Amino acid sequence: EDKVVQSPLSLVVHEGDTVTLNCSYEVTNFRSLLWYKQEKKAPTFLFMLTSSGIEKKSGRLSSILDKKELSSILNITATQTGDSAIYLCAVGDDKIIFGKGTRLHILP
Amino acid sequence: DAGVTQSPTHLIKTRGQHVTLRCSPISGHKSVSWYQQVLGQGPQFIFQYYEKEERGRGNFPDRFSARQFPNYSSELNVNALLLGDSALYLCASSLGRGVYTQYFGPGTRLTVL
Repeated sequence: EDKVVQSPLSLVVHEGDTVTLNCSYEVTNFRSLLWYKQEKKAPTFLFMLTSSGIEKKSGRLSSILDKKELSSILNITATQTGDSAIYLCAVGDDKIIFGKGTRLHILP
Repeated sequence: DAGVTQSPTHLIKTRGQHVTLRCSPISGHKSVSWYQQVLGQGPQFIFQYYEKEERGRGNFPDRFSARQFPNYSSELNVNALLLGDSALYLCASSLGRGVYTQYFGPGTRLTVL
């Protein structure tokens, strides 16, 4: 059965800290891995990683795909209170499988 | 440009009733996917439609059905509602199938009493 596992499920850090969120997957068909940030309702897109694009960076956020280990990490440096959210990892093809998410809380 | 839109934003139904949720994709996007998200969980894949044909289906009962129209908008229908169908229903659109980013709409919050 296809599955995506994220860890940790919950994380509390202080503003300014660096965090690393993990995502591992076992899926039948892999085309891409996506990271989303969900605050109130709709998940907002962060990164898409594929076999031809295994590393992405945007400001304080960066992500790497390890196709050999079937995993990905999302790094956030110099965290801010506005980074508090649920971070979702999703993997697949036509059928996208989401993990349960990591709930990140940044203390001021 | 308008993002993905969904209607209604909130809906309250009773057990056994039927519901129709609507989604309009970003202009130019031909693929629409539907997800169910219950509290504390990630979105669960229900359907993907591309060019008006079903391209993927998740592990949901036959009470769930969907369709895509020529203008690429989509409807999700749920029959014989159960209490467990209470959730946030998210629609996402993308340019095509496969390696394309999915952009999510604000969702429809369905409550079944």
